[in-house]
Amino acid sequence: GENVEQHPSTLSVQEGDSAVIKCTYSDSASNYFPWYKQELGKRPQLIIDIRSNVGEKKDQRIAVTLNKTAKHFSLHITETQPEDSAVYFCAATDFYNQGGKLIFGQGTELSVKP
Amino acid sequence: EADIYQTPRYLVIGTGKKITLECSQTMGHDKMYWYQQDPGMELHLIHYSYGVNSTEKGDLSSESTVSRIRTEHFPLTLESARPSHTSQYLCASSELGGTTYNEQFFGPGTRLTVL
Repeated sequence: GENVEQHPSTLSVQEGDSAVIKCTYSDSASNYFPWYKQELGKRPQLIIDIRSNVGEKKDQRIAVTLNKTAKHFSLHITETQPEDSAVYFCAATDFYNQGGKLIFGQGTELSVKP
Repeated sequence: EADIYQTPRYLVIGTGKKITLECSQTMGHDKMYWYQQDPGMELHLIHYSYGVNSTEKGDLSSESTVSRIRTEHFPLTLESARPSHTSQYLCASSELGGTTYNEQFFGPGTRLTVL
């Protein structure tokens, strides 16, 4: 089955700096890669996702890149702000054959210092 | 407003008790999921359902059971709670989809402590 590894487990940056979180997956059939943000004490929320037919997707300060050959994808946050502080989870699935069952990475706790 | 509701939000209970965690959604979604998550840690899928009378076990072995008698309701039951069941339980739902990739929406969670 699918296995998703996420690094780093913790990340501390200064406000205004960029943050990068990386994930690798094992199942080459995976074709959907969402990223969720979970603030302390709150529910996870989708912030961006990418499909296997796309190499990069951007939404304001957030971008995700996908390298299917190497089986890894990354989340890039530019101009970080204190409200970006949260735990970020990557996930992967073969949507056609796994029916939307997501396999999550271990999470990255991002701390943005003012 | 369309949302996912979980009750109770917090539960402290003694070993051996039977408990049911409730999850209801007004999103109109067919798919529903239960995840187990220790605070700030990885989410592990323990049960999922694609519709009424459909239930499947997830990737993490769990002693809990689920039922799906109504589309909007997906309760999780522990027949005999143990301290090892202490965790947060998150319910989620998504559209049935087809060839589209569908966002999973999460409920606020139930934090369970078994003494």
